[in-house]
Amino acid sequence: NAGVTQTPKFRVLKTGQSMTLLCAQDMNHEYMYWYRQDPGMGLRLIHYSVGEGTTAKGEVPDGYNVSRLKKQNFLLGLESAAPSQTSVYFCASSYVFGVTNTEAFFGQGTRLTVV
Amino acid sequence: DAKTTQPPSMDCAEGRAANLPCNHSTISGNEYVYWYRQIHSQGPQYIIHGLKNNETNEMASLIITEDRKSSTLILPHATLRDTAVYYCIVRAENNNAGNMLTFGGGTRLMVKP
Repeated sequence: NAGVTQTPKFRVLKTGQSMTLLCAQDMNHEYMYWYRQDPGMGLRLIHYSVGEGTTAKGEVPDGYNVSRLKKQNFLLGLESAAPSQTSVYFCASSYVFGVTNTEAFFGQGTRLTVV
Repeated sequence: DAKTTQPPSMDCAEGRAANLPCNHSTISGNEYVYWYRQIHSQGPQYIIHGLKNNETNEMASLIITEDRKSSTLILPHATLRDTAVYYCIVRAENNNAGNMLTFGGGTRLMVKP
């Protein structure tokens, strides 16, 4: 059981380049989330999804886009990377409220450096 | 979701109980208290959660005060592998809100030999 898998694990981008981070979960969770974590700080929510085909903005959505075309996948896109987007990105997933286990499961993170 | 206040850091001797406090004085009646931890550079890991009763699982115990304005996470016999940042999070169970977790600064627990 893989849980939450993030691809890639590391990436270096030049300013202005674009890229897509992939998150895949095999637990049939409805909810999926993208967070970023800057050095010495807690996680901040970028975007989230409550189901296939739906997405919503979190606390820090500017500069990012997301898509949830399949229930198991949640993609985070950077159209024009900036040095301020240098961070560690975490994906998470969880069941809906009403199911016994509502805790979120996190991936191992993607370390992105924009130079 | 209600905000939480935690001490930025704590030390604990290996083998002793680690008691991590959390203040959530503005918690609402439908909000749960969740605890997660993040071991260096890894993704956060769920520990335990509760609404108003004390809870215990294989990892820890959660003590919530009767007025629900504060709680304490207890690691009964801390080991070096428990060194991590511990996050106390208050979250409403609401499908419309997507069950989001809002992370604060957490408490950096250092378990020492």
